[in-house]
Amino acid sequence: NAGVMQNPRHLVRRRGQEARLRCSPMKGHSHVYWYRQLPEEGLKFMVYLQKENIIDESGMPKERFSAEFPKEGPSILRIQQVVRGDSAAYFCASSTEGTDTQYFGPGTRLTVL
Amino acid sequence: DQQVKQNSPSLSVQEGRISILNCDYTNSMFDYFLWYKKYPAEGPTFLISISSIKDKNEDGRFTVFLNKSAKHLSLHIVPSQPGDSAVYFCAASVCAGKSTFGDGTTLTVKP
Repeated sequence: NAGVMQNPRHLVRRRGQEARLRCSPMKGHSHVYWYRQLPEEGLKFMVYLQKENIIDESGMPKERFSAEFPKEGPSILRIQQVVRGDSAAYFCASSTEGTDTQYFGPGTRLTVL
Repeated sequence: DQQVKQNSPSLSVQEGRISILNCDYTNSMFDYFLWYKKYPAEGPTFLISISSIKDKNEDGRFTVFLNKSAKHLSLHIVPSQPGDSAVYFCAASVCAGKSTFGDGTTLTVKP
């Protein structure tokens, strides 16, 4: 049973470009969470999704950031017009319905030049 | 307002001794607490959890203690091994959903 998959593992973008981060949850998991970790800090919650539904996006910046979890395919975290401050590690986690244990992917390290 | 705090950024212990990592929280609505271990360049790995209806949960060398009145939990690792060296994150949640993480404690176990 494969774990949570994230790709790419490393992503380099220039300021103003778009970044797309993908997350495939563990088999049987229908809940996906995105977290961001800035250097020397802990993980900060961004968004919580179920299939075709955003449950909680209280941690998402108001502009440039969006997330989706379509009926088919991976969850996507999209960052438009990236800025240097977006450089961070972005982790995706998944869980089964009704449980709180979230299992994390290896993360995508975004570097904005 | 940081709702989950790990006040010790680092901890160093000798192999074979006990490691105690601490975590404090402010939100009394939290009802589920977790500890994750993280190695560099990897995602956090779930270690152990505890529900608010319990005050202790044990899994092998790892034990988590919860003191609800003090809003404090701790992770005990005994005996500590060099392979335990990692960053440990405490997390808390209200029902199912997002977890609020502390900033982590870097544990170094010296051989």
